[in-house]
Amino acid sequence: GQNIDQPTEMTATEGAIVQINCTYQTSGFNGLFWYQQHAGEAPTFLSYNVLDGLEEKGRFSSFLSRSKGYSYLLLKELQMKDSASYLCAVRDGTNAGKSTFGDGTTLTVKP
Amino acid sequence: GAVVSQHPSRVICKSGTSVKIECRSLDFQATTMFWYRQFPKQSLMLMATSNEGSKATYEQGVEKDKFLINHASLTLSTLTVTSAHPEDSSFYICSAAGTTDTQYFGPGTRLTVL
Repeated sequence: GQNIDQPTEMTATEGAIVQINCTYQTSGFNGLFWYQQHAGEAPTFLSYNVLDGLEEKGRFSSFLSRSKGYSYLLLKELQMKDSASYLCAVRDGTNAGKSTFGDGTTLTVKP
Repeated sequence: GAVVSQHPSRVICKSGTSVKIECRSLDFQATTMFWYRQFPKQSLMLMATSNEGSKATYEQGVEKDKFLINHASLTLSTLTVTSAHPEDSSFYICSAAGTTDTQYFGPGTRLTVL
């Protein structure tokens, strides 16, 4: 099975940088996803990491360390619209395509 | 690319009736589709995984006779909530995965059972 931990809530200031951590303990691993979910809406894909290292995509970057079972999502130049829940999801290595989602981190961006 | 549609977006029904929700991948072929349920302020709960042309795989605790899943083609999966009750009221979200296994989500269906 999969066990995924991420902080429940975080608060940051507009224009700042915030890092959302995710740790996982898995029986199999075949990649890690980050999704953004605004209240009342479905999740949208942000990033996918399968190898160690940093993937940068505009204001968002995602890092993975497979040996440590650790990932983070880095959001730069925060905007008010970044207030949302951020979900970490680990793809199961035993069932192709199936992912287990963390409970999500609710980020509130304040002016 | 990677657009997934879901219909209807909202549905209100009477207790005891059945509701069908459609999930379509519009610009790619989805080898696998997933159905999730999400209660307010809670995370996604995977209900079942469906592959085109085969029976869905249900997660533990999900009644397969109550939540009927059909994956008739590489672009369409349907979830039918049979004999719906108020406790089935929830936000139902589908996702579709192609060759990269990245899941792309539909916009969700908010079901309210009176």
